[in-house]
Amino acid sequence: LAKTTQPISMDSYEGQEVNITCSHNNIATNDYITWYQQFPSQGPRFIIQGYKTKVTNEVASLFIPADRKSSTLSLPRVSLSDTAVYYCLVGGGGYNKLIFGAGTRLAVHP
Amino acid sequence: DVKVTQSSRYLVKRTGEKVFLECVQDMDHENMFWYRQDPGLGLRLIYFSYDVKMKEKGDIPEGYSVSREKKERFSLILESASTNQTSMYLCASSQPGDRDLAQHFGDGTRLSIL
Repeated sequence: LAKTTQPISMDSYEGQEVNITCSHNNIATNDYITWYQQFPSQGPRFIIQGYKTKVTNEVASLFIPADRKSSTLSLPRVSLSDTAVYYCLVGGGGYNKLIFGAGTRLAVHP
Repeated sequence: DVKVTQSSRYLVKRTGEKVFLECVQDMDHENMFWYRQDPGLGLRLIYFSYDVKMKEKGDIPEGYSVSREKKERFSLILESASTNQTSMYLCASSQPGDRDLAQHFGDGTRLSIL
């Protein structure tokens, strides 16, 4: 099973770019990498998903190197409302392989 | 937008009680999931279902069972609640395929077992 490792917490300031890296050394060939955002008292919200190279949407970018053993979520120009916990998820080849990391608590300061 | 609704935001039960947590989704999704979330442990998958009356064990199924009699509804059952089942429970749904990891979550039920 592909276990993930993320930093426990990060701090940033409004307007900065934030990069959160997730390590998944045992990722399987058919596994996807997915990131979620969670605010207090709410369920996680899907942010972005990728398999390899780079994926970009209106919210974030996801960078995946060729060996796929890690991935980096990039949040451009964060605001206070981006303060949340971010989860890296690896899986897809059968639902019992869904593994959530412990999450990264991002604090954005004025 | 997909809406996943969990029947209770907060629930308090006693040890040994049978507890039902209900989840309903309105987007005709094939897949439904139950997770629990505990501090420092992230989300852990309890059970999932990919069709009516079908269920599969996740990572931590012990002490739980599930029921899916209708496509839109997925119930989590604690047969005999114990204090170590005090947790936040999250339900999710998704469609199968490449984006089956793009799960839509409810806002959770915070369950306390006394």
